[in-house]
Amino acid sequence: EVQLVESGGGLVQPGGSLRLSCTTSGFTFSNYWMTWVRQAPGKGLEWVANIKQDGREEYYLDSVRGRFSISRDNRKKSLFLQMNRLTDDDTAVYYCARGISTSRITPLLHWGQGALVAVSS
Amino acid sequence: DIVLTQSPGTLSLSPGDRATLSCRASQTVSSSFLAWYQQKPGQAPRLLIYDDSTRATDVPDRFSGSGSGTDFTLTISRLEPEDFAVYYCQQIATSPGAFGQGTKLEIK
Repeated sequence: EVQLVESGGGLVQPGGSLRLSCTTSGFTFSNYWMTWVRQAPGKGLEWVANIKQDGREEYYLDSVRGRFSISRDNRKKSLFLQMNRLTDDDTAVYYCARGISTSRITPLLHWGQGALVAVSS
Repeated sequence: DIVLTQSPGTLSLSPGDRATLSCRASQTVSSSFLAWYQQKPGQAPRLLIYDDSTRATDVPDRFSGSGSGTDFTLTISRLEPEDFAVYYCQQIATSPGAFGQGTKLEIK
């Protein structure tokens, strides 16, 4: 069974930093692109970033590029999102997700339960 | 970047009704790269439809997808009580893989 478990969420002050982790099991992690998607309270889904299998290719939402950094550790089967210079607009539940296929172009079939990041003074 | 606009924002229907949800893209998207998701309160999204009209595992056949170019439709042929939720479309052809803003399907 594929499992994705996010951790590292919490309350942080504006301008602060936080690092999310996504621990995976039930599949060969190194074979898949991985994605972060977020959802602000009461709002819709927002694609944040994704990363290639070998970590050498990354894509970001314009509003987070330069502040957020996606990475992975294939030996530990884990995905990360380093978030710096956080603002109120970054308050959201952050989901880790995996596609149906190993391609970059793939719908997201498997999702974690989400980690809440709250940015507030 | 491709922008997806969903309509209506809220759809009020009764169990047994047919639901038609729309997703319009700001530029042409192959139907192979348009997906639909369902989300219920407090839950992660669930993939419903992808690759034109392929249903994900365990998705009932009352759900179907159609469309081409810039206009896409999710149809639920006969609504069941468990279908009342928020639905999102997503384009996966390019990164960022933008989502639409969602359509809330509520019980009338």
